[in-house]
Amino acid sequence: SQTIHQWPATLVQPVGSPLSLECTVEGTSNPNLYWYRQAAGRGLQLLFYSIGIDQISSEVPQNLSASRPQDRQFILSSKKLLLSDSGSYLCALDRTAGYGYTFGSGTRLTVV
Amino acid sequence: GESVGLHLPTLSVQEGDNSIINCAYSNSASDYFIWYKQESGKGPQFIIDIRSNMDKRQGQRVTVLLNKTVKHLSLQIAATQPGDSAVYFCAERVTGGYNKLIFGAGTRLAVHP
Repeated sequence: SQTIHQWPATLVQPVGSPLSLECTVEGTSNPNLYWYRQAAGRGLQLLFYSIGIDQISSEVPQNLSASRPQDRQFILSSKKLLLSDSGSYLCALDRTAGYGYTFGSGTRLTVV
Repeated sequence: GESVGLHLPTLSVQEGDNSIINCAYSNSASDYFIWYKQESGKGPQFIIDIRSNMDKRQGQRVTVLLNKTVKHLSLQIAATQPGDSAVYFCAERVTGGYNKLIFGAGTRLAVHP
């Protein structure tokens, strides 16, 4: 069965510092991968999706970027964090049955 | 524009009662709808889905109803238990292109003993 791993689980970073969040998947090949942001007590906003290695599409303009150097690895980055980047970041991949996604457990980022 | 929203931000129920969580959507071309449950500190977890050509689907203690006439989706949880306490999201799949989901803002369900 497919599994999705995200780390770290929590992160506190100062404003202006860089960011790198990693997501890896197992039990599937050539998956569609997604990065979502969830502000505290809010819904989920799609940031990036990827249909393959080095193929990244951005849904909203922002301070973040994404990369997919390997088939099962998806990375979310920033060169300089802003306070508004605080929130939870969720990685997801397409479910094997039906539509919808399987989500990772997320990284809770606090920018101070 | 496309949007999926929820009628109630919080819902408090007594243990053993039935819960109904509502959701409105605006994209009449969406072909698939999903309910997710998110417990504190975890990612959203798939609960149940329904295709647009159906109006009802049942799972274990959960039922999803779809009313395309008024663009309304609901999740019914029978005999609500403390373990059902979580935030519930509805999502609609936008047709065309990749598997794009649009999520609602979420409803928090609080189950009281």
